[in-house]
Amino acid sequence: DIVMTQSPDSLAVSLGERATINCKSSQGVLYSSNNKNYLAWYQHKPGQPPKLLIYWASTRESGVPDRFSGSGSGTDFTLTISSLQAEDVAVYYCEQYYSSPPTFGQGTKLEIK
Amino acid sequence: QVKLVESGGGVVQPGKSLRLSCAVSGFIFSSYGMHWVRQAPGRGPEWVALISFEGIDKHYANSAKGRFTISRDDSNNTLYLQMNSLRTDDTAVYYCARDFLVGPNTFAFDYWGQGTLVTVSS
Repeated sequence: DIVMTQSPDSLAVSLGERATINCKSSQGVLYSSNNKNYLAWYQHKPGQPPKLLIYWASTRESGVPDRFSGSGSGTDFTLTISSLQAEDVAVYYCEQYYSSPPTFGQGTKLEIK
Repeated sequence: QVKLVESGGGVVQPGKSLRLSCAVSGFIFSSYGMHWVRQAPGRGPEWVALISFEGIDKHYANSAKGRFTISRDDSNNTLYLQMNSLRTDDTAVYYCARDFLVGPNTFAFDYWGQGTLVTVSS
């Protein structure tokens, strides 16, 4: 199975500041035939189901604010929130769907400083 | 709008069985692969099982193989997970989730239900 490792485990950022979450896969998730990275990011708030934010590593899901962006390729990926809002407090997970079983990172808890 | 509603969770003793259901609405159920994903307390999500949009292909996590069975009833827009020989480490919130692309499975998930809690304890 591909192991997904996120850093940091927790992060406190001031309102309006940038938040950066990293995700590393134990093997590459770039499919050469279509040049797509099979990597997604989810936001999980207490009492709610996880919400898909980003897929193909950098494509924003419909309705997701443009302050959220994804980048990276191969084994190293980043989720960036350009200007943190109060409603962004949540746990964020990366997921690889390159090979079965799909696997998630351990999560990064984002809080307001 | 897209809606997924799980039911069937509860407290069960080790070795017993439980059947989860997921009623969906707001999209053409038969066009999408569907998944069960679980999340144990304090841990990240763990994919459990997939059934393809035609219902022909089924895939399971190693932890579920031989004990869990995923199925679907397209006439009633309902997804199921039959869980047998339950163990204490099956304790989790179980979510049904839609594959994010129509047709071929991708194993990424664009809509999730609210989840149903399964507690396996003696």
